[in-house]
Amino acid sequence: DTAVSQTPKYLVTQMGNDKSIKCEQNLGHDTMYWYKQDSKKFLKIMFSYNNKELIINETVPNRFSPKSPDKAHLNLHINSLELGDSAVYFCASSQGIGGRQNTEAFFGQGTRLTVV
Amino acid sequence: DAKTTQPTSMDCAEGRAANLPCNHSTISGNEYVYWYRQIHSQGPQYIIHGLKNNETNEMASLIITEDRKSSTLILPHATLRDTAVYYCIVRVATGGSYIPTFGRGTSLIVHP
Repeated sequence: DTAVSQTPKYLVTQMGNDKSIKCEQNLGHDTMYWYKQDSKKFLKIMFSYNNKELIINETVPNRFSPKSPDKAHLNLHINSLELGDSAVYFCASSQGIGGRQNTEAFFGQGTRLTVV
Repeated sequence: DAKTTQPTSMDCAEGRAANLPCNHSTISGNEYVYWYRQIHSQGPQYIIHGLKNNETNEMASLIITEDRKSSTLILPHATLRDTAVYYCIVRVATGGSYIPTFGRGTSLIVHP
């Protein structure tokens, strides 16, 4: 069983469209993340949710709206897609926040988004 | 931003030990050092982490200096499949949570 799964794996769409990427984890973790990896391979945190609540939003445009229907899911909806949104988006999860540092993050295989 | 410094790239012969250094001179007393790697086109993969003692698991060993200002990840017998970008990160506290924050990492190439 895949621990952190994302769908779709590839997404090609036109500018101005709205799209969603889904993420599910079956690890029982309470914290989930979205990262963006651009063409220069820099992996940057976008959002973090703990127990369905947003705890981190790293100055991401409000066209990006994460939604967490439950602890096991963190979906990413993107409105009015732009060329610069083309990147690989990774979902991740881990257990615990705050003082509990000794927990590793598990990553999905990524969604390659291409905006044309 | 990640509070670590790593060489941009390294190479290693297959079967040899790969020693990947990382400087984290501003690390706080309660911050852990984590290592992840990213094989081409895949999601980052956790390798190992430590606080101040040396650690070993089935993938690698982590050697942390006594002053905790640097560490070395050791892949004892590198294989071609270990070719990847290796990230040394310190768990950074942001808004009460500890978020894995990645720098540029070290691109390790294992050659035959």
